[in-house]
Amino acid sequence: GAVVSQHPSWVICKSGTSVKIECRSLDFQATTMFWYRQFPKQSLMLMATSNEGSKATYEQGVEKDKFLINHASLTLSTLTVTSAHPEDSSFYICSARVASGVTDTQYFGPGTRLTVL
Amino acid sequence: GENVEQHPSTLSVQEGDSAVIKCTYSDSASNYFPWYKQELGKGPQLIIDIRSNVGEKKDQRIAVTLNKTAKHFSLHITETQPEDSAVYFCAARYYGQNFVFGPGTRLSVLP
Repeated sequence: GAVVSQHPSWVICKSGTSVKIECRSLDFQATTMFWYRQFPKQSLMLMATSNEGSKATYEQGVEKDKFLINHASLTLSTLTVTSAHPEDSSFYICSARVASGVTDTQYFGPGTRLTVL
Repeated sequence: GENVEQHPSTLSVQEGDSAVIKCTYSDSASNYFPWYKQELGKGPQLIIDIRSNVGEKKDQRIAVTLNKTAKHFSLHITETQPEDSAVYFCAARYYGQNFVFGPGTRLSVLP
């Protein structure tokens, strides 16, 4: 299957700082990438859909000024958590859409664990 | 919009036994149903998927069945092994739309 990477795999930061998480599709081009947030023992919560070259579409309740998403190329999307606070601590996972012929599915990255002190 | 339910929420089986996880969906237009396995601290991994024009798909020890009339699909794992222990998520989607995930099933395979 297609490979999606995330960097960093974990990060600890002080309250008030900003953190950038990178999501890359390694062996394919992804016109659409997705950002999810996952709390312990819970399902995946879609935060936003990122399309290359255009503004991200945020789900209801997700602050777009808090979670900045940039999809600058067909292989890279970034999520920046601005002025992070302890309640932003979570597991953030990106996924990339693969649509070719009859295939249209999503492959996930390994996730980034953010801890805000 | 689409809504996906998943049962059971937790499942414990003895090594070598079979495990079955069932999902139901609400939107009859949904036509793609993937299953993901998530190990602790990792991202979900696509393990098998099925499209609405197929009733069953098998890949070694795992299989997925789809009942479009009843709007449910199931994951079957045979000859379970300890490394099958993980959280499994089902999802449903109509082509071009976003995935809707089930709440997940925590599978424990006891040695």
